[in-house]
Amino acid sequence: GEDVEQSLFLSVREGDSSVINCTYTDSSSTYLYWYKQEPGAGLQLLTYIFSNMDMKQDQRLTVLLNKKDKHLSLRIADTQTGDSAIYFCAELSGGYQKVTFGTGTKLQVIP
Amino acid sequence: DVKVTQSSRYLVKRTGEKVFLECVQDMDHENMFWYRQDPGLGLRLIYFSYDVKMKEKGDIPEGYSVSREKKERFSLILESASTNQTSMYLCASMRQALATDTQYFGPGTRLTVL
Repeated sequence: GEDVEQSLFLSVREGDSSVINCTYTDSSSTYLYWYKQEPGAGLQLLTYIFSNMDMKQDQRLTVLLNKKDKHLSLRIADTQTGDSAIYFCAELSGGYQKVTFGTGTKLQVIP
Repeated sequence: DVKVTQSSRYLVKRTGEKVFLECVQDMDHENMFWYRQDPGLGLRLIYFSYDVKMKEKGDIPEGYSVSREKKERFSLILESASTNQTSMYLCASMRQALATDTQYFGPGTRLTVL
């Protein structure tokens, strides 16, 4: 079955790096995503990684995938107050229409 | 620019009322989704639709129904609202069959059932 887990809360100081972790259980996942939800808004896609990749970098964002341990992480370098939001990881599996979301991690950036 | 709109940002209803949540997308997407978001539970899929008049149950369909009469519009219906349906409801749409396409989300409707 599919189950995506994240820690609920993370607090970091402005300028530090943030690392948000996610574990999933469906080994047939093809794509894994990171979404950002700002207060009062819907979700926006930040980045995605294909399951045959180990790492993807996009400006301040680095995604690491450990397929053996089914572990996904999102690193935000030089975290800013505007990065404060809820971050969801999600996996595409069980056919192209099925996206399973994690519980979400609330990132608080302290000035 | 892609757009998914939801009919209300905030809604307050009484137990037993019939509730309609409307979602409209202007991207000609085949797939549309309804989720509910609750603290500590993330997003849970209620229903989705991959074509007009087609619907599939998600993970938590009980107490809900949906309607997709036109491609751009996907409605979520609570036949008899209950207090445990108090939640944030998010609609999303996605072009079909391309995994690298993202789901585009609406701003959400916060429903309170008294």
